[in-house]
Amino acid sequence: TQLLEQSPQFLSIQEGENLTVYCNSSSVFSSLQWYRQEPGEGPVLLVTVVTGGEVKKLKRLTFQFGDARKDSSLHITAAQPGDTGLYLCAGASGGSNYKLTFGKGTLLTVNP
Amino acid sequence: AAGVIQSPRHLIKEKRETATLKCYPIPRHDTVYWYQQGPGQDPQFLISFYEKMQSDKGSIPDRFSAQQFSDYHSELNMSSLELGDSALYFCASSSRPLASSYNEQFFGPGTRLTVL
Repeated sequence: TQLLEQSPQFLSIQEGENLTVYCNSSSVFSSLQWYRQEPGEGPVLLVTVVTGGEVKKLKRLTFQFGDARKDSSLHITAAQPGDTGLYLCAGASGGSNYKLTFGKGTLLTVNP
Repeated sequence: AAGVIQSPRHLIKEKRETATLKCYPIPRHDTVYWYQQGPGQDPQFLISFYEKMQSDKGSIPDRFSAQQFSDYHSELNMSSLELGDSALYFCASSSRPLASSYNEQFFGPGTRLTVL
């Protein structure tokens, strides 16, 4: 069974601060996706990383996929209250199926 | 852009009753996935279908069954409901890529099932 360890589990910061969320596994993933989820709503796809060492930027969000494709990080610069939410990383095993294995999530609160 | 549609959004059932959840994937998406998310938990994969055939099975109880129809919509049937089945049920859809080794799953808004 592939497991994704996500840290920290909870993060409360002030507006304008920077933060990094980590997603680690002992398994190799063919791709890794980051989602953001609001309470009672479905996860919204932020980005997919595929290539080892890949870095993708989405405005103030920077996503990195580890060289060995076992870990990933999400860095947010100058966080805003609108960034508040549950951030989930999810790895896909590829092959004949593409089911996602999710991390436990990081609940981010950005205080004004 | 069209998104994944799930119905109903909320459902309340009694123990031992049955429930049917529906999912309409994004147009031209041929793969559907079902996930269960308990309170404070991450989504857990239940089952998936590709071109109307079951493609993978996760931690889906024997009391649950699902299928994908010719128009690619999917239904999750849940029988003999238990209190522990109360959760958010998400459907996700994707388009199986021909050349690349990954796909992206897009989630619906979910159905909140409450079993009393």
